[in-house]
Amino acid sequence: SYVLTQPPSVSVAPGQTARITCGGNNIGSKSVHWYQQKPGQAPVLVVYDDSDRPSGIPERFSGSNSGNTATLTISRVEAGDEGDFYCQVWDSSSDHYVFGTGTTVTVL
Amino acid sequence: EVQLLESGGGLVQPGGSLRLSCEASGFTFSSYAMSWVRQAPGKGLEWVSGISGSGGSTYFADSVKGRFTISRDNSKNTLYLQMNSLRAEDTAVYYCAKVRGSSRVNAFDIWGQGTMVTVSS
Repeated sequence: SYVLTQPPSVSVAPGQTARITCGGNNIGSKSVHWYQQKPGQAPVLVVYDDSDRPSGIPERFSGSNSGNTATLTISRVEAGDEGDFYCQVWDSSSDHYVFGTGTTVTVL
Repeated sequence: EVQLLESGGGLVQPGGSLRLSCEASGFTFSSYAMSWVRQAPGKGLEWVSGISGSGGSTYFADSVKGRFTISRDNSKNTLYLQMNSLRAEDTAVYYCAKVRGSSRVNAFDIWGQGTMVTVSS
C-alpha cells in the first residue's frame, strides 16, 4: 500500500518560514492536498492539487510537489498557524485515499 | 452555507453494530463523491470508505472491508456508514467529508464536525 511520510514535528519562530515535507514514492505524479487541524476541530483544507489555495486561505500557505517529495510552506508564520498538518493523495493502484502521518507545527 | 452534520455515534460493545449518518446542505449532494474519515484518540487521520455521487461505486480501507458498508440517499441528502462486527480499534471520531470535484483525485473540501464512536465492554 502507498505510504506518505511526514516529520512528526516542526518548530518555527513567529515571522519565519515553516516547511513541512510529505514523502512518497513518485508522489510528483499525484495530486497532493494539505489539511490543517487544530485541537478539537475538524480538518480544514489549506492547499489542494499541489499548490492551489481554497478561498479564505491566506497566501502565506503555498505548496509544491516534485519527485518523491511534496512540501507545504507557511510564510511569515503566526501563532494561529499552530496545529497538525496532514498531506493526502488518491492512490489509483489500490483505490484508496491515503493520509500522511501528520506533522505538528509549533510556533515558538 | 455548505454544511455536513454527522450523527449516530455512541458507545457500543465489541461485536456490535452502529449506523452513522451525515446530512448535507448547501450544495447539490448527488453531484459529489463523499467519504468517511476517522481519527482514533491522539492519532492521525485514517480514510475509511468512499462512495461516488450516484452511489454506484464504493471503496473501503482494508481495515474495515467486509465489516463496514457505505451508502447514500440522494433524495434525503444523507450519507451513511453501517458498521458491523465492531472492534476496540474502531474507536475514533468519524468525520464525513465532501470531495471537491467529480474526480476521486480531488481533495476533501468540506468536513463535518465529527461523531465519536467508542467500542468497549
